[in-house]
Amino acid sequence: GAGVSQSPSNKVTEKGKDVELRCDPISGHTALYWYRQSLGQGLEFLIYFQGNSAPDKSGLPSDRFSAERTGGSVSTLTIQRTQQEDSAVYLCASSFGTGSNQPQHFGDGTRLSIL
Amino acid sequence: GENVEQHPSTLSVQEGDSAVIKCTYSDSASNYFPWYKQELGKGPQLIIDIRSNVGEKKDQRIAVTLNKTAKHFSLHITETQPEDSAVYFCAARLYQFYFGTGTSLTVIP
Repeated sequence: GAGVSQSPSNKVTEKGKDVELRCDPISGHTALYWYRQSLGQGLEFLIYFQGNSAPDKSGLPSDRFSAERTGGSVSTLTIQRTQQEDSAVYLCASSFGTGSNQPQHFGDGTRLSIL
Repeated sequence: GENVEQHPSTLSVQEGDSAVIKCTYSDSASNYFPWYKQELGKGPQLIIDIRSNVGEKKDQRIAVTLNKTAKHFSLHITETQPEDSAVYFCAARLYQFYFGTGTSLTVIP
């Protein structure tokens, strides 16, 4: 079956531009997570959506970062006025939910490079 | 919140030998512990997981052990093969997932 799909796979943009990253979770998965992974580093939590509840935005590093999830499915992560330190791989994961310790399934990420 | 520490950060083993990666966590309320394998250019892939009511779980050459009292869990890979070379991450679940910093495993043919 289809896994988590992220687009674009690579994005190169100039400093100061806005970027939008897209995540299509596995069908039926109610929980969706965004992480950032810098080169050779671990996963930094950004934001988490669960069903219709208010998202947990506690990991967003600045107000330049925002995310939305439309219709409980597709999610977009938006970075405004990009900076060079935003260069990283942005990973999306989804799971069936949170109450029963369901595993996360990851996409292959969007590799973002800010020139 | 939860704090997950992972050791070692790099590990090299000869093909056929065993590899062990260890993680500790800080919050005794954490109740689910997955392990992920990440190959270059790919997202992390779940390889095995364990819940807090279980002490050990095995899947072919991979096993995970959990010691709730000591708050640590370990990944064991036996009879390593070159295709096991990758970065491995542990995680602990407490409301959300908290990840270790990763172990880069190299299996030398």
